[in-house]
Formats: sequence, structure tokens, C-alpha cells
Amino acid sequence: GQNIDQPTEMTATEGAIVQINCTYQTSGFNGLFWYQQHAGEAPTFLSYNVLDGLEEKGRFSSFLSRSKGYSYLLLKELQMKDSASYLCAVRGQNAGNNRKLIWGLGTSLAVNP
Amino acid sequence: NAGVTQTPKFRVLKTGQSMTLLCAQDMNHEYMYWYRQDPGMGLRLIHYSVGEGTTAKGEVPDGYNVSRLKKQNFLLGLESAAPSQTSVYFCASSNAPGRRVDTQYFGPGTRLTVL
Repeated sequence: GQNIDQPTEMTATEGAIVQINCTYQTSGFNGLFWYQQHAGEAPTFLSYNVLDGLEEKGRFSSFLSRSKGYSYLLLKELQMKDSASYLCAVRGQNAGNNRKLIWGLGTSLAVNP
Repeated sequence: NAGVTQTPKFRVLKTGQSMTLLCAQDMNHEYMYWYRQDPGMGLRLIHYSVGEGTTAKGEVPDGYNVSRLKKQNFLLGLESAAPSQTSVYFCASSNAPGRRVDTQYFGPGTRLTVL
């Protein structure tokens, strides 16, 4: 079957660095997405990885290892507004579903002062 | 440029009633999706469309119907609402052709309660 695993909850301190992990087992692979979702709001796009390595975008970075089926989202200089749920999603490569994403359940991050 | 909009934002139905949720996007996207999000279940795909006039079933299509008569609109219908359909419904759209990243953009959501 297809599966994405992320920790359910994490806690961190304002100004610190936090790493949110995501492991996946899917039928083929055609990209991994990270989304941020604040409580009561819609998911918003953060990052995309399709090749191995690190993608950096300001305070946020995302890493991918396709051979290990593993990604992480790194948040630096944490701010209170970073308290949110972080969703990992993978796009498989089968012809019938290459536009559909397989979603993890999300990691709820609480940033404390 | 409003992005993806959804109507209504909130709705309360009685069991057996019907309703239609409207999604509109002004980004000329080819692909549109309807998801539901429930605590502990994550985002689950209900139906999706790869272009005007096309629809396809997702992961949890039972009890729902969809139509994509115009490229910019994607309608989700509940013919006979059940309490199990109480959820937050999100619409999303994306544009694959020629784009390196087929990012899905989400609407603000519709919070539906079925009593």
C-alpha cells in the first residue's frame, strides 16, 4: 500500500531550529510537497523536492532522499507564527494518478516563547 | 486575482437534505480537486477533474457528485446528506502543462455540519 508517516506533534522554542521528518512508501515517485496549515485555515504551499538534496527558501529548507523514502522540513529562527500543522504530500508516478497527491496526517508544531 | 474561492463558508444541514458547494478559480488552471479533512484522517480526495467537462473519482467518492461545466468552476454536490459527511471541505486547483512544479492551491474551505 501507499503510506506517509510524520510525527503527530512537536514542540519547540521561539528562535530555535526544528526538523520535521516524513517517510513515504508509494507506487512510484514524482515529487514531494510540504504545506503549512494554520488552525482553521487552508493549506498553503511551502516547498517542493523532486531530486535528492536540499532546497532552501528563506527560513525554511526541505531535504529529500529518494533512495531512503525520506524527507525533512527544517525551520530556522522559529517564530510564534510558525505554530501550525505541516503536511507532507507525495505525488506517485502511475499514469492514472500522477496528478493526485498522497497526504500525510500532518505534524502539529507548537512554538513556545 | 482572488485565487481559489469557495461558497459557502459555513453550512448546517439536516440529514437527507441536499446542497451544492461551489469552487471557483481565476488562475486558468486545468486541474481541480475536492478534498475533505477530518481530525485524525488528514486530507482525503473526493473527486477531481483534469479539464473542463471531465471528472474522476478520488479516494472517498461515495455520497458525492461533481461537475465541471466551465473551466473555472468545480461543483461538489451532496444529494442526501448524512452525519458522516460533517467535515471541512477544501477545493484546490493546479496547472501542470509546461510547469516544473504542479502545485495545488487551496480555497479557504467550507465547514459543513450535518445534524
